[in-house]
Amino acid sequence: NSKVIQTPRYLVKGQGQKAKMRCIPEKGHPVVFWYQQNKNNEFKFLINFQNQEVLQQIDMTEKRFSAECPSNSPCSLEIQSSEAGDSALYLCASSPTGGAVTEVFFGKGTRLTVV
Amino acid sequence: GDQVEQSPSALSLHEGTGSALRCNFTTTMRAVQWFRKNSRGSLINLFYLASGTKENGRLKSAFDSKERYSTLHIRDAQLEDSGTYFCAAEAGGYKVVFGSGTRLLVSP
Repeated sequence: NSKVIQTPRYLVKGQGQKAKMRCIPEKGHPVVFWYQQNKNNEFKFLINFQNQEVLQQIDMTEKRFSAECPSNSPCSLEIQSSEAGDSALYLCASSPTGGAVTEVFFGKGTRLTVV
Repeated sequence: GDQVEQSPSALSLHEGTGSALRCNFTTTMRAVQWFRKNSRGSLINLFYLASGTKENGRLKSAFDSKERYSTLHIRDAQLEDSGTYFCAAEAGGYKVVFGSGTRLLVSP
């Protein structure tokens, strides 16, 4: 179904440590999203890109996260200083159409545990 | 803000029976997607609709932008249909909002 590749599948970090996860969107998909999914299955939008450019991000992402989608390299999302509340499933998704969102395809996610 | 109310939150079906899931939207949405999260944690794309209805096997989905809802009908449920189903609505401007999910358990 989806060809979005996320690594690693699991990540364990101590509080205060950096946590970095990567995403390779489907080939030809210019729009990339990052979501955080909590234990209650709630999706929280973090940031999205069109090609290398940030389109939207929430305040938390702007302050505590570092994200990029360089050309010819995987996209990445890095938490600068992990907190216990950051433990969640981080989902990357890509969409094939620039200029507007159409169908979105998700990777399998990176499950982050902050101990 | 843009909200999606998904119901029911949980659903139990016997094999061979059917039911419907529903998402109501607080604002006009441009399109809707339905996903199933399987036992391995993968989000499987089921449908993408900008309007009308689509059918795929035992699943059928409808989206009415004007009336602000979408439905997913499952008929002749099978054990492998178990999982958590999500709707996601495209609000415009790259914004996609998710329902809270429906946990479906199909039993023999």
